[in-house]
Amino acid sequence: KQEVTQIPAALSVPEGENLVLNCSFTDSAIYNLQWFRQDPGKGLTSLLLIQSSQREQTSGRLNASLDKSSGRSTLYIAASQPGDSATYLCAVKGAQKLVFGQGTRLTINP
Amino acid sequence: DGGITQSPKYLFRKEGQNVTLSCEQNLNHDAMYWYRQDPGQGLRLIYYSQIVNDFQKGDIAEGYSVSREKKESFPLTVTSAQKNPTAFYLCATGPGAETQYFGPGTRLLVL
Repeated sequence: KQEVTQIPAALSVPEGENLVLNCSFTDSAIYNLQWFRQDPGKGLTSLLLIQSSQREQTSGRLNASLDKSSGRSTLYIAASQPGDSATYLCAVKGAQKLVFGQGTRLTINP
Repeated sequence: DGGITQSPKYLFRKEGQNVTLSCEQNLNHDAMYWYRQDPGQGLRLIYYSQIVNDFQKGDIAEGYSVSREKKESFPLTVTSAQKNPTAFYLCATGPGAETQYFGPGTRLLVL
């Protein structure tokens, strides 16, 4: 059974810092991995999707990497801003469904 | 205006009562999903439907029921058999196997 773990559970950093969020999964037989953002009391917004054959994806200040063999992904956020404060969830896609990690709650302090 | 709508935003359930959460989409997606989110946790799959008139149980289907009579609609009923229904419920749709798009969610509270 696929299990997805995100570390740390919460992170607080000053504005302007670069930071890395981690995601690990137990079964490397995945179709893709996706990073989502969730604001308090809201739904999820997709940030980046990495296919199993890819190593990384970039969108603006965000860069996500995937190492399928080791079961790890990282989300790198450059030059963090207070508006980046949210919960970030990773999810891996198996044959039928997405399996989610528990999320990292990120706070960027002005 | 395309998208996924969930209603109501907040829902209150009394003991022994069944309640139904609405999910509607106009994205013309075949697949629809229901997730439950508890505080500080990720999403857990309740039910999913890949085509009209067909649906499958997810990881935590007990105490819930669904129907898929129309492509646009996938309502979720939380029955009295669900003993711990307080949670944030998220509906999602997908054009295929690639990704999913999420609605704004319904928060269910027990009186």
